[in-house]
Amino acid sequence: DIVMTQSPDSLAVSLGERATINCRSSQSVLYSSNNKNYLAWYQHKPGQSPKLLISWASTRESGVPERFSGSGSGTDFTLTISSLQAEDVAVYFCQQYYSPLISFGQGTRLEIK
Amino acid sequence: EVQLLESGGGLEEPGGSLRLSCAASGFIFTSHAMTWVRQAPGKGLEWVSAITGSGVSTYYADSVKGRFTISRDNSKKMLYLQMNSLRAEDSAVYYCAKGSASISSSFFDHWGQGTLVTVPS
Repeated sequence: DIVMTQSPDSLAVSLGERATINCRSSQSVLYSSNNKNYLAWYQHKPGQSPKLLISWASTRESGVPERFSGSGSGTDFTLTISSLQAEDVAVYFCQQYYSPLISFGQGTRLEIK
Repeated sequence: EVQLLESGGGLEEPGGSLRLSCAASGFIFTSHAMTWVRQAPGKGLEWVSAITGSGVSTYYADSVKGRFTISRDNSKKMLYLQMNSLRAEDSAVYYCAKGSASISSSFFDHWGQGTLVTVPS
């Protein structure tokens, strides 16, 4: 099974500053036949259902603000929020879908400093 | 508009059974894998089970294998999770989610609001 590990577990950033969340997979999630990374990022706010932000490691979903970006390949990935807004307070999860046995990272709690 | 509406959660004794349902609308149901994901109180997201669009293939997390059964009725656009031999550690909010493709290796682009399952210790 593929284990996903996020860092840090929690993060406090000032409004307008950059937030960076890391995700590492125990094996590569890059599929060589199509050169795609099977990695997604979600935002989860209390009392709401999770929201897909990014798929294929770097493809922003429609309607997701441009301040959210994803990068990385193979086993190491990053979610960056370029200028933190108050509404970005949430828990963020990465997910691999390379294997049909899906797995999520443990989550990173993002707060305002 | 895609809608996913879970039902069937509740309080059940250890060793008991529950059947969760998820009613889907707003998309071509057979073209998408479906999945169940849960979140225990104070914990992160845990993938539970998935089923391909055709319903032919199913997948389970080790923590529920042999106890839970996922199924779908494509004619009714319904997804199910039969949960047997329930344990306290199965207590969680259970979400159904729509896969991005018909195969199980999908990300999840729409989620239901969740249904709460409580199994006392």
